[in-house]
Amino acid sequence: GDSVTQMEGPVTLSEEAFLTINCTYTATGYPSLFWYVQYPGEGLQLLLKATKADDKGSNKGFEATYRKETTSFHLEKGSVQVSDSAVYFCALKRSNYQLIWGAGTKLIIKP
Amino acid sequence: EPEVTQTPSHQVTQMGQEVILRCVPISNHLYFYWYRQILGQKVEFLVSFYNNEISEKSEIFDDQFSVERPDGSNFTLKIRSTKLEDSAMYFCASSEGQGGTYGYTFGSGTRLTVV
Repeated sequence: GDSVTQMEGPVTLSEEAFLTINCTYTATGYPSLFWYVQYPGEGLQLLLKATKADDKGSNKGFEATYRKETTSFHLEKGSVQVSDSAVYFCALKRSNYQLIWGAGTKLIIKP
Repeated sequence: EPEVTQTPSHQVTQMGQEVILRCVPISNHLYFYWYRQILGQKVEFLVSFYNNEISEKSEIFDDQFSVERPDGSNFTLKIRSTKLEDSAMYFCASSEGQGGTYGYTFGSGTRLTVV
């Protein structure tokens, strides 16, 4: 069945470091792909999305490119800040209504 | 920015009791969802709701669960007889369209603890 695999956390980086959080998926067809972020004590917020192969989603300095050939949607940011500390979830849209989620990756940014 | 509001933020209930989790979706959204996340596990889809009926549900959403839009603003999840394994964070979400194009807006969640 459809699934999403994310790199395990926590990922700990220093401020201004380059970030990559890996996400790969297994699915039939070409699902839409999403990154959600959950800040401490808050809900799940859509960070970015891509709906077809080679699309690049971007928001708040974060980027991810939908790679059909490697079935990946890795999240990147060139220079992270302490305020980026959160849990990041990769997800795919399996049907008209349903999201399939990765396990989440906790990101810790140290000043 | 419009928000999805969930109440209560934390609910503790005894096993076997009924609970109702409440959500106020964004006013112009037409599609509504419930997800849950058991501690340490992945977020799981429970149910989607459109045009006053369930449009899709997962295997988790058995006869113990029901959803309702009792008025023009609220969207509720009822668990009839709670079990210990129902303890989880429950997230409500809404979307303007079918989610993939427009994205989903999630609430902050209700932490349900069954004792």
